[in-house]
Amino acid sequence: DTAVSQTPKYLVTQMGNDKSIKCEQNLGHDTMYWYKQDSKKFLKIMFSYNNKELIINETVPNRFSPKSPDKAHLNLHINSLELGDSAVYFCASGDTYYEQYFGPGTRLTVT
Amino acid sequence: GEDVEQSLFLSVREGDSSVINCTYTDSSSTYLYWYKQEPGAGLQLLTYIFSNMDMKQDQRLTVLLNKKDKHLSLRIADTQTGDSAIYFCAERDTDKLIFGTGTRLQVFP
Repeated sequence: DTAVSQTPKYLVTQMGNDKSIKCEQNLGHDTMYWYKQDSKKFLKIMFSYNNKELIINETVPNRFSPKSPDKAHLNLHINSLELGDSAVYFCASGDTYYEQYFGPGTRLTVT
Repeated sequence: GEDVEQSLFLSVREGDSSVINCTYTDSSSTYLYWYKQEPGAGLQLLTYIFSNMDMKQDQRLTVLLNKKDKHLSLRIADTQTGDSAIYFCAERDTDKLIFGTGTRLQVFP
């Protein structure tokens, strides 16, 4: 059973397009996250949601809009894609005080 | 600030011990973590340590925490080629994790 899944695994698109990445977890966690890993492998949190409510928004451009239809899903929609958005995006879920479980990542390439 | 620093590379011979170091700045962190990332994969939690502990051992892994110096280390005994990966330390800041810069461990035969 996959704990945290993301689709698609790879996404190649042109500048200016709008795209979405989906994330689902079957661990029953209340909190889900989006992280961005850049080309130097630096990993930084973007958003977190707790039970469908936005908790953390780390000064991410407005072009990025997370959506949580229920607590098992946290999707990431990106408008007007830019070259600098190229990265690997990781979804994660966790309980409050212990561990976070990461998805396999979505490699986004903007050309 | 929230800076978690690690050395970028470590190369060891198979069978030797590896020690990966991390320094952090937030003294109020309650939990500190070590994650492993294999090529093309997500992050896998290896172990974590609560801030009131000095040491935690889990099979081949030993975590040492020096709160005074804000220094965390991960020792891997009998390093194997399958241990080759990027290792991230992370500190917990309320609901989010602050990750280190990652250490790429290369194990050669």
